[in-house]
Amino acid sequence: KQEVTQIPAALSVPEGENLVLNCSFTDSAIYNLQWFRQDPGKGLTSLLLIQSSQREQTSGRLNASLDKSSGRSTLYIAASQPGDSATYLCAVRGNNNDMRFGAGTRLTVKP
Amino acid sequence: GAGVSQSPSNKVTEKGKDVELRCDPISGHTALYWYRQSLGQGLEFLIYFQGNSAPDKSGLPSDRFSAERTGGSVSTLTIQRTQQEDSAVYLCASSFGVSAKNIQYFGAGTRLSVL
Repeated sequence: KQEVTQIPAALSVPEGENLVLNCSFTDSAIYNLQWFRQDPGKGLTSLLLIQSSQREQTSGRLNASLDKSSGRSTLYIAASQPGDSATYLCAVRGNNNDMRFGAGTRLTVKP
Repeated sequence: GAGVSQSPSNKVTEKGKDVELRCDPISGHTALYWYRQSLGQGLEFLIYFQGNSAPDKSGLPSDRFSAERTGGSVSTLTIQRTQQEDSAVYLCASSFGVSAKNIQYFGAGTRLSVL
């Protein structure tokens, strides 16, 4: 069974810092990997999706990388802002269409 | 619609009662997914539909859980004889298809509390 782990569980940084969130997964036979953010009491918002054949995706200040062979993905956030404060979830989709989520990294960006 | 819509947003029920949760996907999305987010447990995949068909129901926690989708649109997740451990936020997502490039879009969820 696919296991997804996110490190760190929580992270607090001052505004303006660049930061990296880590995601690891145990089974490299994945269909895609998706990064989401979840604000308190809200649903999930998709940030970036990386297909299994891709190495990275970029959107604005966000960059996600995928190394399928080592079972790792990183989400890089440049020039962090207080509005980036949220829980960031990594999800791996298997070839049978199930999606396994990590427990998330709770990010706080202090003004 | 503009986004994935779930109803009710909150549901409080007594142990042993049946509940029905509804998900209205984004118009034109053929794939629909149900997840459960329990306190301190993270997100758990339950079931997905491609059209009206659910190829794999093994993610449902018990036989008290069932889901259906009709007309390739609205889906309902039914929990019979609810137990306190069923208390969670139930999230629904939809995507245009099931290919690797298809992003899943989530609703705001239904918070279920079983007393």
